[in-house]
Amino acid sequence: QSVLTQPPSVSGAPGQRVTISCTGSRSNIGADYGLQWYQHLPGTAPKLLIYGDKYRPSGVPERFSGSKSGTSASLAITGLQAEDEADYYCQSYDNSLVGSVFGGGTKLTVL
Amino acid sequence: QLQLQESGPGLVKPSETLSLTCTVSGGSISSSPYYWGWIRQPPGKGLEWIGSIYDSGSTQYNPSLKSRVTISIDTSKNQFSLKLNSVTAADTAVYYCAKYYDSVKSGFDYWGQGTLVTVSS
Repeated sequence: QSVLTQPPSVSGAPGQRVTISCTGSRSNIGADYGLQWYQHLPGTAPKLLIYGDKYRPSGVPERFSGSKSGTSASLAITGLQAEDEADYYCQSYDNSLVGSVFGGGTKLTVL
Repeated sequence: QLQLQESGPGLVKPSETLSLTCTVSGGSISSSPYYWGWIRQPPGKGLEWIGSIYDSGSTQYNPSLKSRVTISIDTSKNQFSLKLNSVTAADTAVYYCAKYYDSVKSGFDYWGQGTLVTVSS
């Protein structure tokens, strides 16, 4: 079981908006460490999409946005495109485990 | 542009030691402060943090792997390494090396392409 909980899968039609949730606890998300989101395509390196809860690295489209409240966080993708079909992971730091923790991953299917 | 590349045996026998090296190019591995990590993904499963090395060689390890893991750094070769001993089939995974964008309490902005390590006799 992962320390951070994500839904196994989400789906949406092209052009729609989807959200992926990430639920943690007071020792990670709730401890106000930065929350990251990664996009992972099979056979490639994970790509940093969101860092520090809501910031996009250079080159990441504005269609991707992050938010956090309490012990939960969300990744929103608007204007869904076929190329967005991938696995998405949230990641934070946990002061109880003293290390980084990942969510179990969410598979996004573009219908 | 910073680049990371994992290297090492793709096949390791059960009970033996898995050894991987991450070579960093396009920048100095010892640019202070530095924060580097290893992550793995077993087949069909999610990402799992293995451990980190930072500052003057300080380390943090996943509690579930701590008794078997050693991460070290060789600044003269611009490399850092992972050793995982007493491996079993459960250690079969794609192993990634990565760089933290800030402290070890942050996330990873640069990743290697990953290398598949299979544990089998």
